[in-house]
Amino acid sequence: DTAVSQTPKYLVTQMGNDKSIKCEQNLGHDTMYWYKQDSKKFLKIMFSYNNKELIINETVPNRFSPKSPDKAHLNLHINSLELGDSAVYFCASSPDPGGNTIYFGEGSWLTVV
Amino acid sequence: SQQGEEDPQALSIQEGENATMNCSYKTSINNLQWYRQNSGRGLVHLILIRSNEREKHSGRLRVTLDTSKKSSSLLITASRAADTASYFCATDRGAQKLVFGQGTRLTINP
Repeated sequence: DTAVSQTPKYLVTQMGNDKSIKCEQNLGHDTMYWYKQDSKKFLKIMFSYNNKELIINETVPNRFSPKSPDKAHLNLHINSLELGDSAVYFCASSPDPGGNTIYFGEGSWLTVV
Repeated sequence: SQQGEEDPQALSIQEGENATMNCSYKTSINNLQWYRQNSGRGLVHLILIRSNEREKHSGRLRVTLDTSKKSSSLLITASRAADTASYFCATDRGAQKLVFGQGTRLTINP
């Protein structure tokens, strides 16, 4: 009965590879997010989707491409991975984009070697 | 840009003591939220306080908000080992996103 689930939880890959992280929420929420948490625990929003429409893109490199096939899913595809992409990526959802409570997934630990 | 800044960055206390964490921010907000993150886990929402509220309670948690000083505090009373975690404040400035600080790492020693 996990509310926001993301896979994989751990991912180790080589520089230059392309990888995807999948996210699904069963809360019936309209808004989904991707956040990046760096090694210093700083949590920064990357993207926000509302009903499958992109509403926030926080100057993330074009190598990062979110895709929302429906409002319950928001996947993150990363091309040409770089060492600096190593971080924890959190998917999250909220009832609407208006600053309400956000429900986070458990995170995906990405290590680029 | 980073909005909330938590203080202290790390806090270590004995079980049973109270823990106080502070958050400062720079611009006007609609609400401020506190989240907890256990090691290796996602963030969990603790409490939301709106800009027209000054204090809010939830169990052993007490949150205050001073909009004139642009600051908030989170007080955990009678701390337990299970309270060991990182605590983040997040501010809603009405731009359809929450902006998080870097968190306070709280350690409760048995």
